Amino acid sequence: NAGVMQNPRHLVRRRGQEARLRCSPMKGHSHVYWYRQLPEEGLKFMVYLQKENIIDESGMPKERFSAEFPKEGPSILRIQQVVRGDSAAYFCASSLIPPGQGTDTQYFGPGTRLTVL
Amino acid sequence: DAKTTQPTSMDCAEGRAANLPCNHSTISGNEYVYWYRQIHSQGPQYIIHGLKNNETNEMASLIITEDRKSSTLILPHATLRDTAVYYCIVRVGGATNKLIFGTGTLLAVQP
Repeated sequence: NAGVMQNPRHLVRRRGQEARLRCSPMKGHSHVYWYRQLPEEGLKFMVYLQKENIIDESGMPKERFSAEFPKEGPSILRIQQVVRGDSAAYFCASSLIPPGQGTDTQYFGPGTRLTVL
Repeated sequence: DAKTTQPTSMDCAEGRAANLPCNHSTISGNEYVYWYRQIHSQGPQYIIHGLKNNETNEMASLIITEDRKSSTLILPHATLRDTAVYYCIVRVGGATNKLIFGTGTLLAVQP
């Protein structure tokens, strides 16, 4: 069973461009979480999605950032008009069962390292 | 803010047991303790979790005190590949399952 897949693994963008990060959860998992890790810092929660629904976006910056998890295909984290401060590692995690229903362990992907020039 | 406190760093000799402590004095009765590790900026790797009983799997053991205010992760025979940042996390309950990462413990396994 393949783990969580993320692509691209490395992404370079110039200021003002758009960045699209993709996450394919583990097989059978319908709950996806995105986290950001700034250089020399810990991971920070951004957003939690179920298929076609955003459940918790309390960690998302108010502007330029959006996320989706369509019925078919991977989850997408989109950053518009990137700035240098967006340079970070973005990790996706998936879980099998909904929160609160037993031990819904999150499994992480390898991350996408975004560099904004 | 993270609900846990951990030492910033620890050393361990290769082949010896590594005991990583974590304090979570404000933990609620239905909140789980999770442990993850991150090896050199890779994606966090799930290790183990528990509620109130001690747990063991192929990677580690988790000892939770009776009052649940602290726990210890035990790697029974540390190897160089266990060098990583270890995060102790109290999972937030409710409708979401976001993990709140603290600064973790950098475990350096020495040859």
